[in-house]
Amino acid sequence: EAQVTQNPRYLITVTGKKLTVTCSQNMNHEYMSWYRQDPGLGLRQIYYSMNVEVTDKGDVPEGYKVSRKEKRNFPLILESPSPNQTSLYFCASSLRGLAGTAYEQYFGPGTRLTVT
Amino acid sequence: KNQVEQSPQSLIILEGKNCTLQCNYTVSPFSNLRWYKQDTGRGPVSLTIMTFSENTKSNGRYTATLDADTKQSSLHITASQLSDSASYICVVIPYNYGQNFVFGPGTRLSVLP
Repeated sequence: EAQVTQNPRYLITVTGKKLTVTCSQNMNHEYMSWYRQDPGLGLRQIYYSMNVEVTDKGDVPEGYKVSRKEKRNFPLILESPSPNQTSLYFCASSLRGLAGTAYEQYFGPGTRLTVT
Repeated sequence: KNQVEQSPQSLIILEGKNCTLQCNYTVSPFSNLRWYKQDTGRGPVSLTIMTFSENTKSNGRYTATLDADTKQSSLHITASQLSDSASYICVVIPYNYGQNFVFGPGTRLSVLP
């Protein structure tokens, strides 16, 4: 089954404790991205990757890191989480980048992160 | 600043009725405009994708329209079902790589029996 998976689905952590949220897709997609969703603000893009070893900042990259060593995986790293990073996070993938194209974008199930 | 506004913020309708959700945007130039359906606690699912040159796109009971001149899009849902209860998100993809996507805040639709 074609899908985007994220782990963990729920995470409660403390300020400053490094964490990684994994994202994996099995559709051989080149484009992957991370979003956060907060009430009243809608989805905002954190980072995206056009292909292996190619990453770039989205709208709200501060406090986050990503890597793309393999095509299927795109982990989101919070080196020193803070309470303002409490949010619902989504990973998404698409065959190619979305600008100038009409490729479908597939979202993962989400990771609810709470930083105390 | 590129913006996407959606109205209404929330909507309650009875099962079987039709409804129309609105999306106004300022993103220009743009490549395509997308409508997503998001069930509570789940990831968004694509409903329609319209390029800047398209006026309408259907997906079953969902029909999206686009007026690039007035920078407005609408999503019409026909013969609503209880399973249509969800948030509907309008997204505008800028034409140029490197520009950020612009997501609307969504419209929360509740379909009651």
